[in-house]
Amino acid sequence: QKEVEQDPGPLSVPEGAIVSLNCTYSNSAFQYFMWYRQYSRKGPELLMYTYSSGNKEDGRFTAQVDKSSKYISLFIRDSQPSDSATYLCAMSRLKGAGGTSYGKLTFGQGTILTVHP
Amino acid sequence: ETGVTQTPRHLVMGMTNKKSLKCEQHLGHNAMYWYKQSAKKPLELMFVYNFKEQTENNSVPSRFSPECPNSSHLFLHLHTLQPEDSALYLCASSRPTSGSVDEQFFGPGTRLTVL
Repeated sequence: QKEVEQDPGPLSVPEGAIVSLNCTYSNSAFQYFMWYRQYSRKGPELLMYTYSSGNKEDGRFTAQVDKSSKYISLFIRDSQPSDSATYLCAMSRLKGAGGTSYGKLTFGQGTILTVHP
Repeated sequence: ETGVTQTPRHLVMGMTNKKSLKCEQHLGHNAMYWYKQSAKKPLELMFVYNFKEQTENNSVPSRFSPECPNSSHLFLHLHTLQPEDSALYLCASSRPTSGSVDEQFFGPGTRLTVL
């Protein structure tokens, strides 16, 4: 079983739709949950992160973590063509006395999203 | 741009060639990483360096040899590769901070094709 499972899609939605992207994981030691966005011919960039459980909102983006179900989600409201990209979930454990999330990220496969006008 | 540059952007090599990938970060970070990204697979962490010291080697075959001469530069030396090594090789850097997420900044990658 993979540590992190993510449906690769592809997912195609019309402009303005609400997009839901999800990952499941098996390692209960994961504490930091991240979403990266990767445009074509670019490296991934961190979009949002959440520590432990709960929700986090940033503009049109909302990240949710349900540790009891080992399930994380990213919602995109009012999706735009510029949101077309591959979305990667990533997770890590705490490491070090200071509780830093350091070094070893475990990624999902990535979901390819296309928002068409 | 993210402040992490990679050269070359594209590389085609034969199985008997020797080549090197270069990564440079201009962010003042102390940790640097090599990842492999293959189609339909998750990003795979290959190597981690912190303050020039290798702290992770994820069971990577010896035909991949990393080198980190200082905190700003990272190399990946390649020799006698196999066609299945064809992938996008990504470099990243970060400054791990106590009590916070370790945000890794990625370069654009080197698209490697092994013939």
